Amino acid sequence: ETGVTQTPRHLVMGMTNKKSLKCEQHLGHNAMYWYKQSAKKPLELMFVYNFKEQTENNSVPSRFSPECPNSSHLFLHLHTLQPEDSALYLCASSQVNQPGSGANVLTFGAGSRLTVL
Amino acid sequence: SQKIEQNSEALNIQEGKTATLTCNYTNYSPAYLQWYRQDPGRGPVFLLLIRENEKEKRKERLKVTFDTTLKQSLFHITASQPADSATYLCALDTNAGKSTFGDGTTLTVKP
Repeated sequence: ETGVTQTPRHLVMGMTNKKSLKCEQHLGHNAMYWYKQSAKKPLELMFVYNFKEQTENNSVPSRFSPECPNSSHLFLHLHTLQPEDSALYLCASSQVNQPGSGANVLTFGAGSRLTVL
Repeated sequence: SQKIEQNSEALNIQEGKTATLTCNYTNYSPAYLQWYRQDPGRGPVFLLLIRENEKEKRKERLKVTFDTTLKQSLFHITASQPADSATYLCALDTNAGKSTFGDGTTLTVKP
């Protein structure tokens, strides 16, 4: 275990469903991230929360909605997804000393494998 | 545009040999560079970090070099073992604290 737990590990949903991915970190970190990993593509940063505030949204479609209620929990709410959204969604956390600066060593969860039918 | 390229998508070597993986980048001025290991069905795991003013970093059988003139990092695994088989990712970081990843090289070490 890495200290970052993601649930569910696998999710199959239809295009009209609403579901959520959950991430919890037990490391005392102050920043959390959602990354998307598709086959043959680099990891794509989707959202960043530093000190519980969203500081990054890399032009992610509105059908993905993040929520960070506290520094230990991160959610990704999914709504009316497309088949091309099928991917491995990875949550990560890190300790950032000051917002926007410093080495950013990420601890990843095992990921949630999403299939959109 | 900014680009990170890792050498061949797949690298096959014999057990006991040294594996060398390459990470090249363009249009970046990274403050540091990281290497991660990813096994199938798992998230990436941090291995090593090297800063822009460092030439080389070592950790057990792992060695990383960073040449900001060539805009290249080399990742070496000496005395490779089948257990080293995995996908290795490089990530570039600016001081903004954002990590941008390459698409990885899958290493297979054959007994």
